Amino acid sequence: GAVVSQHPSWVICKSGTSVKIECRSLDFQATTMFWYRQFPKQSLMLMATSNEGSKATYEQGVEKDKFLINHASLTLSTLTVTSAHPEDSSFYICSAPGLGVFYNEQFFGPGTRLTVL
Amino acid sequence: RKEVEQDPGPFNVPEGATVAFNCTYSNSASQSFFWYRQDCRKEPKLLMSVYSSGNEDGRFTAQLNRASQYISLLIRDSKLSDSATYLCVSSTGGGNKLTFGTGTQLKVEL
Repeated sequence: GAVVSQHPSWVICKSGTSVKIECRSLDFQATTMFWYRQFPKQSLMLMATSNEGSKATYEQGVEKDKFLINHASLTLSTLTVTSAHPEDSSFYICSAPGLGVFYNEQFFGPGTRLTVL
Repeated sequence: RKEVEQDPGPFNVPEGATVAFNCTYSNSASQSFFWYRQDCRKEPKLLMSVYSSGNEDGRFTAQLNRASQYISLLIRDSKLSDSATYLCVSSTGGGNKLTFGTGTQLKVEL
């Protein structure tokens, strides 16, 4: 398989601050990465598709100016939650599609738990 | 209507029991289907892909009925370690975004 890491694992911040979450594909290149959000007792909801070298594609209802995505290289995508508020507290997970024999599989990072006070 | 629907459960079953989960999807363009397992406060992990011909992996059997847009997962001889949330997932193709169901919670008890 392939490994995707996320950093940080968890973060607690004050309302109004910005938080950056990193997603890295460790042993493969990913031109596309996906960012999901999961609220308690709910399923994963796709927020946006991160595209290396071009703008991210956001799902309906997700504010692109609030959730800034940068896919700076073939192994790194970042999600910045700007001016975070308590309602942004959630579990944020990234994934990257596999290559070759793993083409039909997605590899998930371990997630980042964000708590906004 | 959600694109992928599941009964949220929880399903409480005794160890050794056989349990089945069902899922329906509404997007007829969906091509690939999966069952993922998610433990509390962890990321989802792929359990198995689902094929029209049905596939089996040890105690787990998955079935896909494209005509009815219905997917199932059967777990035989349940173990305590099977306790988790099982997510039904669809995709419109390899490398594309996944659409998750809300998950079905399974609790296997002694």
